[in-house]
Amino acid sequence: DGGITQSPKYLFRKEGQNVTLSCEQNLNHDAMYWYRQDPGQGLRLIYYSQIVNDFQKGDIAEGYSVSREKKESFPLTVTSAQKNPTAFYLCASSYRDRGWNTEAFFGQGTRLTVV
Amino acid sequence: GESVGLHLPTLSVQEGDNSIINCAYSNSASDYFIWYKQESGKGPQFIIDIRSNMDKRQGQRVTVLLNKTVKHLSLQIAATQPGDSAVYFCAENLNTGGFKTIFGAGTRLFVKA
Repeated sequence: DGGITQSPKYLFRKEGQNVTLSCEQNLNHDAMYWYRQDPGQGLRLIYYSQIVNDFQKGDIAEGYSVSREKKESFPLTVTSAQKNPTAFYLCASSYRDRGWNTEAFFGQGTRLTVV
Repeated sequence: GESVGLHLPTLSVQEGDNSIINCAYSNSASDYFIWYKQESGKGPQFIIDIRSNMDKRQGQRVTVLLNKTVKHLSLQIAATQPGDSAVYFCAENLNTGGFKTIFGAGTRLFVKA
């Protein structure tokens, strides 16, 4: 089945530790994104990547880092510099169709809790 | 428009009634708009989209209206069902060579049986 997979579904982290969230897609999409969602709120863009080995900061990139070494993978590292990392993290991907951007396909999310 | 961490507005409708969810987008140069549905604890799912060269598009029980003059987008759900209860997000996309998508703040829809 084609899709976008995030792992793990639940993640607990101690304060001061870095943690990496996995996102893999087999849709052959060029673009991938990371969003953060806090309870009862909307989605805020952390980072996005349009092509392998290239990525741009979103609106709330501070305290996060990403890499895009392969088209299929876009891992997000939540560093100890992120002051309030407890949230629901969503990864998505999209592609271009005859010059138009398309809708984003989302993973099922990773719920990160700092303990 | 751009999500800035505001708490979600809520719309409550009776089962069988029509629902209208509104969204104001932020960038007049945006040329592609999408509505997503998000159920609790899950990722958003695509519902319907519209390009800037259109002002109306219909799907199964859903219609999206685009008013570029006032930068307004709406989602109409006909004969709303309990399974429609979710959070609905509009999103805008700027076709400038990039893929950046900006999400609206979202609206929580409650369907009363």
